[in-house]
Amino acid sequence: DSGVTQTPKHLITATGQRVTLRCSPRSGDLSVYWYQQSLDQGLQFLIHYYNGEERAKGNILERFSAQQFPDLHSELNLSSLELGDSALYFCASSELAGLNTGELFFGEGSRLTVL
Amino acid sequence: LAKTTQPISMDSYEGQEVNITCSHNNIATNDYITWYQQFPSQGPRFIIQGYKTKVTNEVASLFIPADRKSSTLSLPRVSLSDTAVYYCLVGVGTYKYIFGTGTRLKVLA
Repeated sequence: DSGVTQTPKHLITATGQRVTLRCSPRSGDLSVYWYQQSLDQGLQFLIHYYNGEERAKGNILERFSAQQFPDLHSELNLSSLELGDSALYFCASSELAGLNTGELFFGEGSRLTVL
Repeated sequence: LAKTTQPISMDSYEGQEVNITCSHNNIATNDYITWYQQFPSQGPRFIIQGYKTKVTNEVASLFIPADRKSSTLSLPRVSLSDTAVYYCLVGVGTYKYIFGTGTRLKVLA
């Protein structure tokens, strides 16, 4: 158990809909990262938050948004869903903003299926 | 974003040493190189991390040349349970951490 909690574990929805994925980082971790993993694909970096502030953006679509709340949990909002958005979405946390001498701790992921 | 490349797949037999390379031309000056293991439908799990030269822990070694544009994960005496996908993770600047393309390792009996 990494200590990172993601909900829901599975989600099935229709095209055009909007969903919210939630992540609770490990106790004491200030950084939250979101990654997308499509079927048999690698891990694509979406966005990084540190202590409530956005620190870095990757290949995140404009239809997607995220935020980190004062209690440090984070939410990833996906709207106007398309079939291609079906993927595993991973949240990871770390103590600091940078990973020098640190590691990312990953949750078990939220599997989104868009029909 | 910068591409970090790895061989797509590798096969090995139990008991052999496996070396997996990662090419990361755009690694940021001050960032470390980290390797992760991933089983199907699970989150990646930390293996080892290093900045330069060689690092060894109880499960793996990591070799990083002086120019830091590549790295090699070495798994000694692999077993069937090491069958997984292995990813390198590098910082490419400004708090962006990019995974490599991943290497699917299959260990054969």
